[in-house]
Amino acid sequence: GAVVSQHPSWVICKSGTSVKIECRSLDFQATTMFWYRQFPKQSLMLMATSNEGSKATYEQGVEKDKFLINHASLTLSTLTVTSAHPEDSSFYICSAPGTSGGGEQFFGPGTRLTVL
Amino acid sequence: QKEVEQNSGPLSVPEGAIASLNCTYSDRGSQSFFWYRQYSGKSPELIMFIYSNGDKEDGRFTAQLNKASQYVSLLIRDSQPSDSATYLCAVNTNAGKSTFGDGTTLTVKP
Repeated sequence: GAVVSQHPSWVICKSGTSVKIECRSLDFQATTMFWYRQFPKQSLMLMATSNEGSKATYEQGVEKDKFLINHASLTLSTLTVTSAHPEDSSFYICSAPGTSGGGEQFFGPGTRLTVL
Repeated sequence: QKEVEQNSGPLSVPEGAIASLNCTYSDRGSQSFFWYRQYSGKSPELIMFIYSNGDKEDGRFTAQLNKASQYVSLLIRDSQPSDSATYLCAVNTNAGKSTFGDGTTLTVKP
């Protein structure tokens, strides 16, 4: 159980375009999901907490108008990188809390974004 | 001071040895502690969690927690080359939200 999928696994786009990344909980419902970004050789940086049926909570310094998050259902959250630029190239990972309530997280496989 | 600190490594051990990974945290109100393993180019996967002081064993892995010292560790016995990865320590200070350390890179040499 506790499987999280992400799509696409990698994407290459031109500067100025928008990219949507989907995160799905496959065998459980997730009212909350987390979105992280990870640059090479660096740790996870929490970008935002996605909440089903309400607005996402963004971490300090993360532009909410640039990184649009929608949590449309109990199994799907999407992150849209708008007007992407080369500095947005990174590894984007979503996660969902486990159902035990203990705080463990189950991560999706990640999406590697390259902006040319 | 970072909220969660780990030795960046790299830590290198021979195959069959015990690998010891350490983590300290700053918030005394922390309740839950996690170890994740991340292979290069992959996302993290949960390997251990611990909530109470003491040791918790799962196969070759043992997590140790000392809340008084604000210290949590992970021991990997009989280390295998497949254990070579970056290990992330995570601490929950707010319900459902984890703070991650920068990770310790472990290399197990055959």
